Amino acid sequence: GNSVTQMEGPVTLSEEAFLTINCTYTATGYPSLFWYVQYPGEGLQLLLKATKADDKGSNKGFEATYRKETTSFHLEKGSVQVSDSAVYFCALSGAGSYQLTFGKGTKLSVIP
Amino acid sequence: DAGVIQSPRHEVTEMGQEVTLRCKPISGHNSLFWYRQTMMRGLELLIYFNNNVPIDDSGMPEDRFSAKMPNASFSTLKIQPSEPRDSAVYFCASISPGVYEQFFGPGTRLTVL
Repeated sequence: GNSVTQMEGPVTLSEEAFLTINCTYTATGYPSLFWYVQYPGEGLQLLLKATKADDKGSNKGFEATYRKETTSFHLEKGSVQVSDSAVYFCALSGAGSYQLTFGKGTKLSVIP
Repeated sequence: DAGVIQSPRHEVTEMGQEVTLRCKPISGHNSLFWYRQTMMRGLELLIYFNNNVPIDDSGMPEDRFSAKMPNASFSTLKIQPSEPRDSAVYFCASISPGVYEQFFGPGTRLTVL
């Protein structure tokens, strides 16, 4: 079956630091890959997505590249802000499927 | 658009009581998902509807849990009888045809004493 493994948190960074959250997946065929973000007390929101190999998703300064050879979709941001403090979830959907398989989430705290 | 609406936002009940959680998906979305989120198990898919029909309920933990979608604008998740281990945040999400982004509601925080 499909599975997603992401680095465990919590991750604490100073403002303007570089962020990487690792995500690897197992899936048959060609899944679509997603990063969702959950701010305190809220539901999940789509942050970015990539639907085929070598695609780069980007949004709000965050980026992730779909690497089929390493089955990875690592999330990066060059300079984090306090407002980026949240829980980040990596997820995939199988080809032609709307169902998402989520990683366990990584809590990020950014301190001034 | 109001987004996905869930009610109640918080529910505190005693073990053995029936609990009903409600969800209104975004208008025009034809698929609806119920998730449960806990610290121990993370985010789990409970059941998935497409055009009001349950497609995959393999994530429903046991017979105490049931879900219905009587029409395109309303779904319920019922737990009867509730147990303390059901305490979690329950999310509803909906999706538009042909689009792969799921839109999540704000969640219902359930506490079973």
